Amino acid sequence: QGQLVQSGAEVKKPGASVKVSCKASGYMFNSYGVTWVRQAPGQGLEWMGWISADGGDTIYGQGFQGRLSMTTDTSTTTAYMELGSLRSDDTAVYFCARDSCHTPSCFPTYYFGMDVWGQGTAVTVSS
Amino acid sequence: QSVLTQPPSASGTPGQRITISCSGGSGSNHVYWYQQFPGTAPRLLIYRNNRRPSGVPERFSGSRSGTSASLAISGLRSEDEAHYYCAAWGDSGVIFGGGTTLIVL
Repeated sequence: QGQLVQSGAEVKKPGASVKVSCKASGYMFNSYGVTWVRQAPGQGLEWMGWISADGGDTIYGQGFQGRLSMTTDTSTTTAYMELGSLRSDDTAVYFCARDSCHTPSCFPTYYFGMDVWGQGTAVTVSS
Repeated sequence: QSVLTQPPSASGTPGQRITISCSGGSGSNHVYWYQQFPGTAPRLLIYRNNRRPSGVPERFSGSRSGTSASLAISGLRSEDEAHYYCAAWGDSGVIFGGGTTLIVL
């Protein structure tokens, strides 16, 4: 079925960067992509971006271009999300999710959604 | 980027059938529904408008017509009280609706 386990909570100062990891197990890592979604306190879900398992393709969400970097390590089946120039409004819970699409050309025609989710990583940005 | 609009809240009594609407989007891309309980990760409830992943009860169903979609829950139960989000592929990424809080009275 698959499982995603994320790294622990982080507290960062404004202007700093944060890197969150997402360890995949129980499924063929290379057959799926990984999507990152965040949720500010009391707010809804916000799509951040998608990365192929081999890290060769990425799609970044509007508003994150230039600040967001997504990478993968296929040897450890781990995905990473690094967000820079942190601001107070970046305070949120960050989720990784297994994405049915493993190539950009899959979207949207062959897209089946995000069916396995990590437990979330709380990131607090405060001076 | 397209916008998906959901009612902020919905309510029903146990056993009732309720629907949650989701309007907007391109009209040509599929709609997805996610269920989220407070403090937990979202769960895929419906994909490609009306398909249920394994393990999702038949009480949950989805439909789409043009630029509108709906999530229906029949035989409402207290454990269905949660937040529900619709989603669809937008211009260059996934867009989520604002979410609907379902209250079971």
